[in-house]
Amino acid sequence: QSALTQPPSASGSPGQSVTISCTGTSRDVGGYKYVSWYQQHPGKAPKLMIYEVNKRPSGVPDRFSGSKSGNTASLTVSGLQADDEADYYCSSYAGSNKVFGTGTRVTVL
Amino acid sequence: EVQLVQSGAEVKKPGESLRISCKGSGYNFTTYWITWVRQMPGKGLEWMGRIDPSDSYTRYSPSFQGHVTLSTDKSISTAYLQWSSLKASDTAMYYCARQGLDVWGQGTTVTVSS
Repeated sequence: QSALTQPPSASGSPGQSVTISCTGTSRDVGGYKYVSWYQQHPGKAPKLMIYEVNKRPSGVPDRFSGSKSGNTASLTVSGLQADDEADYYCSSYAGSNKVFGTGTRVTVL
Repeated sequence: EVQLVQSGAEVKKPGESLRISCKGSGYNFTTYWITWVRQMPGKGLEWMGRIDPSDSYTRYSPSFQGHVTLSTDKSISTAYLQWSSLKASDTAMYYCARQGLDVWGQGTTVTVSS
């Protein structure tokens, strides 16, 4: 399976919004509702931010939201804060396996 | 508190064998699969495979099938990732995570160098 495609980088000023795309195929993103997003700060383990396309685990701010259209999923971070600066990865169920995205580095200007 | 605690960093030579561990606590270990994820230096996340601790049923990514082995010992709530013959290209950080990837271990750094 090929990795899902994400833009290498995205940026925004504090208080602004940034949206990250995650493009797959009908065999992964487009075929299932099981798209997740993870935040990873340097030297840290990833943290689940969104699951099942648009659900937030307890403790994740509602500034983080997810959506999906066809074979592309998106993560939007509203009201950017300094601590949002990190790498973000999407993942999708792909049959009996799971596949990750290529990752996007979000910079808060 | 639900947590996964992984074994410490390893430095090995090519051709050597290795087993790293991931111990779960704070929940019923046999109720959730354990997934393993590789992150090579400066690179992204790669799904390696998963194991069901209740019956040791495994699924491997085609990219890792035949090169690593997943196992568990449910009596001590521990999952394992094993190599029989390491390569330099196995140098990476390895994470375990609970089904749903909602809980992650802290990662184990594996360095393979002659």
